[in-house]
Amino acid sequence: DAGVIQSPRHEVTEMGQEVTLRCKPISGHNSLFWYRQTMMRGLELLIYFNNNVPIDDSGMPEDRFSAKMPNASFSTLKIQPSEPRDSAVYFCASSFGQSYGYTFGSGTRLTVV
Amino acid sequence: GENVEQHPSTLSVQEGDSAVIKCTYSDSASNYFPWYKQELGKGPQLIIDIRSNVGEKKDQRIAVTLNKTAKHFSLHITETQPEDSAVYFCAASKKAAGNKLTFGGGTRVLVKP
Repeated sequence: DAGVIQSPRHEVTEMGQEVTLRCKPISGHNSLFWYRQTMMRGLELLIYFNNNVPIDDSGMPEDRFSAKMPNASFSTLKIQPSEPRDSAVYFCASSFGQSYGYTFGSGTRLTVV
Repeated sequence: GENVEQHPSTLSVQEGDSAVIKCTYSDSASNYFPWYKQELGKGPQLIIDIRSNVGEKKDQRIAVTLNKTAKHFSLHITETQPEDSAVYFCAASKKAAGNKLTFGGGTRVLVKP
């Protein structure tokens, strides 16, 4: 298995632009998580899905952030419009049931200038 | 909700010595406690986990102990090597929260040769 695949690995964009981050979870995993990591805040859970349904989006910072999971093999996190304070590493992770830990992707380093 | 505290935030050890990282959790219903290792430029990787029906678990040079009464758990790394240098995260979850993990703030471990 190729693991959790995220794209792009790096993204540099100008303030105000739309940014879309992509994630392909491990086949067979039924939960998908989006995390943001910064030095100041550590790992923050933004949103998670069970069986493609959003369960908890309380970590989404504001309406500028949205996430979708149209099928079991793909999810997107969109920021529109982007702001410099959104600069961070965004991780996607997937898991199967509570008995197993998460498998994280390699992350997308987002820089908003 | 669950709160996980992790100490110390940084830890420097001499190669060959042991390293211990401690975490406390607030929700007595939590029953799954994984540990993750994050190397520079990579996503966190699960290294060991423990469930609430077990007090200790070992895997080669790493071990985790759990004290349910005191609500704390620890990671022990023996015979540390330079490749153990990384950031380590503890986490906790409970069945009622689905697969949602709450992470500690992380410990940066530096193993000096």
